[in-house]
Formats: sequence, structure tokens, C-alpha cells
Amino acid sequence: GAVVSQHPSWVICKSGTSVKIECRSLDFQATTMFWYRQFPKQSLMLMATSNEGSKATYEQGVEKDKFLINHASLTLSTLTVTSAHPEDSSFYICSASRRDQPQHFGDGTRLSIL
Amino acid sequence: AQKITQTQPGMFVQEKEAVTLDCTYDTSDPSYGLFWYKQPSSGEMIFLIYQGSYDQQNATEGRYSLNFQKARKSANLVISASQLGDSAMYFCAIGGDYKLSFGAGTTVTVRA
Repeated sequence: GAVVSQHPSWVICKSGTSVKIECRSLDFQATTMFWYRQFPKQSLMLMATSNEGSKATYEQGVEKDKFLINHASLTLSTLTVTSAHPEDSSFYICSASRRDQPQHFGDGTRLSIL
Repeated sequence: AQKITQTQPGMFVQEKEAVTLDCTYDTSDPSYGLFWYKQPSSGEMIFLIYQGSYDQQNATEGRYSLNFQKARKSANLVISASQLGDSAMYFCAIGGDYKLSFGAGTTVTVRA
């Protein structure tokens, strides 16, 4: 069964709207969660590393104020795309990690900004 | 810095045949892990197999096996007895200190 739940799976919204995506680890406490972005037919690009109780670490080129990450508990991390625009349309996928285990991924969120 | 190279953008394979997906890597970490993930058209990332850099034996998981050649820095995935459901994009990844770096991926299409 799924060990990481991501919600929503599909979002369509107007330009200027802020969108929140949730990532939950269902049956283990994830000290670290990751957020990726993927364009069609391309690889996953790491956006940020989210550690419980501390600020996220963003990869170079990722706007911190555009992509807000909160990791308030060991089972939940959220990604908020603030004031989304059409160029933010993409597939966003999270993963959860714990020591000595491969990363487990959520099912992803397809974000379409009109 | 870590880098993964997958040189095959797409492959066709006949049902029930084996297919090998190439993956080479570069890293300065003395200890690392190599992973393969499958991504069907629905989008989810499915973990397939893992090889630790110090593992002496090649990893196997059912129909998946990893041909690990450390000196050549390669970690090819072999899928035996291909099934129609194996049609997907396959990503090789290298990880150290939890973070993963992914290759560009290889799209596999299994023909009946």
C-alpha cells in the first residue's frame, strides 16, 4: 500500500491564486521530505529539502518566496505555490525519507494555472 | 556533486524478452546508493531496486536485477521476461546523504 500520500492529485486554478499541496507519510515518521518538479518527458528536479521543525533548504534557482515549504510534523510537509502563474504549471511530487530506506514518493500533483 | 547519465531516451522491447537500461554515474562520495524507479504514465514513482556502493553482490528483486560495475561506474537495470505493464519511464538515481540525483530517464515500450 501507499506509504506517502500526496493531495490533491490535480489542481486547475486561475492565475494569481495560491495553491497548497500536502505530502503525508502514512506509516513512518519522515525526518526529511523532498519536493520535486517535473516537466513533461523530463527528469525530476529537486526543489527543496524539508526537515521537520526547521527551515527548508532550497536548491539553487528555486524562489523561496514563490514556493513556501512547511514541515510542521514528522508526517506532514506542505508546498504552497504563491500567486501562481501559467509558468508554474507542472507536475509536483514529494517524497519522504528515513534512515536506511529508499525515498518513497507520493503520487504527484498536476498543477495547471490558467 | 553527483551526476547520473542515461543515454537511451527510448527503447522498444518484445513481450517476454529481457531489456537492459544503461546508467552511468559520477560521484566524489566514498559511500553512495544507486536506485532505479519506474514512472508509469499516471505519474507515480515506484521504487524498484537499490544497490549500495559497498555491496559485493548485485541486487535482485524479482524480475529486476542491477548489473553493478563499480570500476566502470555503471549500474544497469535488467528487466527479465518483459510484460506489457512494464511500459513506463525508468529513472536511475544516485543518493548520498539522503538526497537523490536523477538521470534523464529511459522510456520503455513493451510490444505484444
